[in-house]
Amino acid sequence: RKEVEQDPGPFNVPEGATVAFNCTYSNSASQSFFWYRQDCRKEPKLLMSVYSSGNEDGRFTAQLNRASQYISLLIRDSKLSDSATYLCVVKTGANNLFFGTGTRLTVIP
Amino acid sequence: GAGVSQTPSNKVTEKGKYVELRCDPISGHTALYWYRQSLGQGPEFLIYFQGTGAADDSGLPNDRFFAVRPEGSVSTLKIQRTERGDSAVYLCASSLTPDEKLFFGSGTQLSVL
Repeated sequence: RKEVEQDPGPFNVPEGATVAFNCTYSNSASQSFFWYRQDCRKEPKLLMSVYSSGNEDGRFTAQLNRASQYISLLIRDSKLSDSATYLCVVKTGANNLFFGTGTRLTVIP
Repeated sequence: GAGVSQTPSNKVTEKGKYVELRCDPISGHTALYWYRQSLGQGPEFLIYFQGTGAADDSGLPNDRFFAVRPEGSVSTLKIQRTERGDSAVYLCASSLTPDEKLFFGSGTQLSVL
């Protein structure tokens, strides 16, 4: 079983739409959770950390459900510049970051 | 620049050859990671250095892969007897400490013909 499983996508949404991505993780001892963004042929960059109480950064909201081992990312009022691959990342153990396969988002004018 | 630098950006080699991929982390970052990313997949952990020592090499796929960081800064990932299946983007990342945010380099695209 993979450490991190994500919606495969792709998601094609119109500008202004709200879109949600989901992710599950297998190791209940996982300690930290993140969403990374990766543009085509570029390196991953940290979008936001995910906290137990849920957290928001502008149009982006991240949620964590430890009981269900589930993480989500909500993007409101989608912009063309949001088009990218969104990687769910889980930290397990001292140093290991496990990445999901990523969910590709395309925002259409 | 002040970011993580990886060289070369592209490397084409023939099956069976030896390659070295270099990573210059952000100055002062003690933690350094190597990942491998195949098309359509997320980055896959290979090895983690804390200072000069490999603290976790559990992600190295086999003994053809080896990495060093002799002075606790620059790291080199070495692949012997390359195979076509080694073709991927090799990403390096560094962080100030293991608990801090990771900064990735732009990667080395390795193509084994």
